[in-house]
Parts: sequence; C-alpha cells; structure tokens
Amino acid sequence: GAVVSQHPSRVICKSGTSVKIECRSLDFQATTMFWYRQFPKQSLMLMATSNEGSKATYEQGVEKDKFLINHASLTLSTLTVTSAHPEDSSFYICSARSVAGRTDTQYFGPGTRLTVL
Amino acid sequence: KQEVTQIPAALSVPEGENLVLNCSFTDSAIYNLQWFRQDPGKGLTSLLLIQSSQREQTSGRLNASLDKSSGRSTLYIAASQPGDSATYLCAVEVLNGQNFVFGPGTRLSVLP
Repeated sequence: GAVVSQHPSRVICKSGTSVKIECRSLDFQATTMFWYRQFPKQSLMLMATSNEGSKATYEQGVEKDKFLINHASLTLSTLTVTSAHPEDSSFYICSARSVAGRTDTQYFGPGTRLTVL
Repeated sequence: KQEVTQIPAALSVPEGENLVLNCSFTDSAIYNLQWFRQDPGKGLTSLLLIQSSQREQTSGRLNASLDKSSGRSTLYIAASQPGDSATYLCAVEVLNGQNFVFGPGTRLSVLP
C-alpha cells in the first residue's frame, strides 16, 4: 500500500531555534498534504492543508508565519516551526492525499515528536 | 508491532439505524485510542478520544468503548443520519507516544 514517511521521527531542540519536518509520499504523487498536531492528552487537530505549488491553507488559530509549510513537489511537503518555544512541543503528523482513478484516499505519516526545551 | 484492524470495511445502512463499528489492535500497551471521521478530500475530524485508563467516551449520538485487555474498541452510532456518511478511522497511540497506528477505516454510507 501507499506509504507516507516523516523525518525526523523525534526531535529535541532549544527554544528559539527553527525545526523542519519533512513529509514524503513514497510511492504516489500527492497534490494535497495535511499537517496535524496533537498536544498531550488531546485530539489530533488539523493545522493546515498544503497544496502542491500553492500557499497552504491554515486553520483558525494557527500562525502561518510561525508554521511555514512548503509543498514544492508532488512527493514532499515540509513544515518548519520557526523560533520554537516549549509550548510548540507536540506531536506533528502529516497525511498525503492520493487520487488515483476513482479512489480518493489519504495516507498518514507516522508522526514527529517535537520537544522544545 | 502494533496492528490495527477495523471491521467492517464498508457499511451501508438506511437512515435511523443504530450501528456499531469495530476496531481491534494487537498490542494492548497503548497510550490512547481515537476515533476519527474522514470526509472525501478532507482532513481528519477527531470524534472521541479514550485514554488507556478509560472504558468509554460519549459525544452526542456517538459512544466509543475500549477494552484494552482484549484489544478492542467499538464506535456506536445511534439514529444514523445521511450526514454521518464518511470514513471512520480508529487509531492507537503506542506507549511513549512514538507514533500513531491507524486502522484502515470503515466507509459508512447512510441512505436517506
């Protein structure tokens, strides 16, 4: 089946630094990728929708200047957390949408655990 | 390795019926279990979150139960409506929060 990878799986950084998370669709082209985050003991929340070649659409309450999303190719989307702070510590998961024929399916990455010290 | 399965893969029911979706996971050492709804071309909508220490959660017409020892969860939908038509995913978070393991989903169609 289709596979979506994320890198890194875990990252620990100091406050004020920027962290880039990659989301790759390994065996299909994804025109749309979704980024989610989940804080401890909370549900997964959609952050933004990333469309290849265009600007991402951010959900209400998500700062687009802080969470930079780039979807430069059909197999790669990146999420950069700029000037990270401890409150940004969270689990970030991406999903990639595969549209093949009449099938419209979304595949999820394994997630990235970000810890900001 | 944690594996999550969902039964049935697809379900079509007439409006008004009560229905049950099943989720099974192979490793009972989980942090929590979540049920999601996914509409075509859309992101996930979290429906219910059950912590490993809990046995059930309710939200409106939805009730989810968790039996961690047997590796099972059920999502009960009461008085189904056409607007409930979507794919329902369950996902388990393994201990230490390393990753989520999602089930393949149940595609539900509620016919008016």
